[in-house]
Amino acid sequence: KQEVTQIPAALSVPEGENLVLNCSFTDSAIYNLQWFRQDPGKGLTSLLLIQSSQREQTSGRLNASLDKSSGRSTLYIAASQPGDSATYLCAVKGSNYQLIWGAGTKLIIKP
Amino acid sequence: EAGVTQFPSHSVIEKGQTVTLRCDPISGHDNLYWYRRVMGKEIKFLLHFVKESKQDESGMPNNRFLAERTGGTYSTLKVQPAELEDSGVYFCASSQPANYGYTFGSGTRLTVV
Repeated sequence: KQEVTQIPAALSVPEGENLVLNCSFTDSAIYNLQWFRQDPGKGLTSLLLIQSSQREQTSGRLNASLDKSSGRSTLYIAASQPGDSATYLCAVKGSNYQLIWGAGTKLIIKP
Repeated sequence: EAGVTQFPSHSVIEKGQTVTLRCDPISGHDNLYWYRRVMGKEIKFLLHFVKESKQDESGMPNNRFLAERTGGTYSTLKVQPAELEDSGVYFCASSQPANYGYTFGSGTRLTVV
């Protein structure tokens, strides 16, 4: 049974710092891994999608890596800004097309 | 391209009442999914439609929940009768094809009092 863990559960850093969010999963048989952002009271915004054959994806200041063999993904945020404050969620899609979710990392960027 | 649309955005109902949530997927997306997040828990899968057919409904919690997707376009999720533990945020997503990334709607926040 696939399990997804995100560490840390919460993170508070000063503006301008680079930071890394971690996601681990127990079953390497995945189709893809997706990072989402959720703002309070809002929906889920897809940030990056990494297919199982890929090693990383980049979008602006965001870079996500995938190491399927070790069951890990990282989301790197460069030059953090207060607007990056949100909950970041990692989800993996398996052969049954279901997304299995982590509990999220609540990120606060202090001005 | 219009995204995934859900409504209502919020619904407050009394225990025992009926509520129907609606999801309009991205046009042309055959795959439609329902997920929910109850307070303090991870987001959990409810079910997956391929066109109008239920591909996987293993996540539906009980028979008080009924999902339909007539004509393979929009979908509804009915909760009847609602219980307190049904409170949470219900998300809908669509994808094409099924093994590609999801696009989520903004969710419906359901509060049962």
